Amino acid sequence: AQSVTQLDSQVPVFEEAPVELRCNYSSSVSVYLFWYVQYPNQGLQLLLKYLSGSTLVESINGFEAEFNKSQTSFHLRKPSVHISDTAEYFCAVTLFSGAGSYQLTFGKGTKLSVIP
Amino acid sequence: KAGVTQTPRYLIKTRGQQVTLSCSPISGHRSVSWYQQTPGQGLQFLFEYFSETQRNKGNFPGRFSGRQFSNSRSEMNVSTLELGDSALYLCASSYRPRDEQFFGPGTRLTVL
Repeated sequence: AQSVTQLDSQVPVFEEAPVELRCNYSSSVSVYLFWYVQYPNQGLQLLLKYLSGSTLVESINGFEAEFNKSQTSFHLRKPSVHISDTAEYFCAVTLFSGAGSYQLTFGKGTKLSVIP
Repeated sequence: KAGVTQTPRYLIKTRGQQVTLSCSPISGHRSVSWYQQTPGQGLQFLFEYFSETQRNKGNFPGRFSGRQFSNSRSEMNVSTLELGDSALYLCASSYRPRDEQFFGPGTRLTVL
């Protein structure tokens, strides 16, 4: 079955240190890729997306992700994290689900904890 | 533009009851998707509606159903509630299927 894998369920990191949250997916067709963030007791917010074009995409709050087609990866990075980045991050991929339909499929999520 | 709204935000039911959750998409969005989020299973896709038609369905039992109205508002219904149905139910809307989805705050359902 087609899937999205986030290898790390929890990532602790010190404030102002860099972080990388990993995401791999399985698909043989063109896909759309997303990162969502969820703060406690809230819904999901779109952080950034790749639809086409430049493989490096950036968010307004310093995160970036790079689409690597050969490795089927879409890792999320930030060079210097802040306390306010503490949240759960979900990688999502629009995957072909059969009969011409596509479905947004989520990874299990990575909880980022920024330590003061 | 107002975001996706979901009502109610919190709900407590007992086993065997049924429940209806409501979702109002962003104005102009015609596609609505529903997800169930639990600590153990993460985010799981329930179904997707576009122009009042169910386009896609996840792997959930028939107790879970939904519909979409002509104004794109959507409802999902769960009948004969089980303890395992306790979850955060998220609704997301997009202009068309495959477009980026915008999520509502969710409805927290607790089944006792």
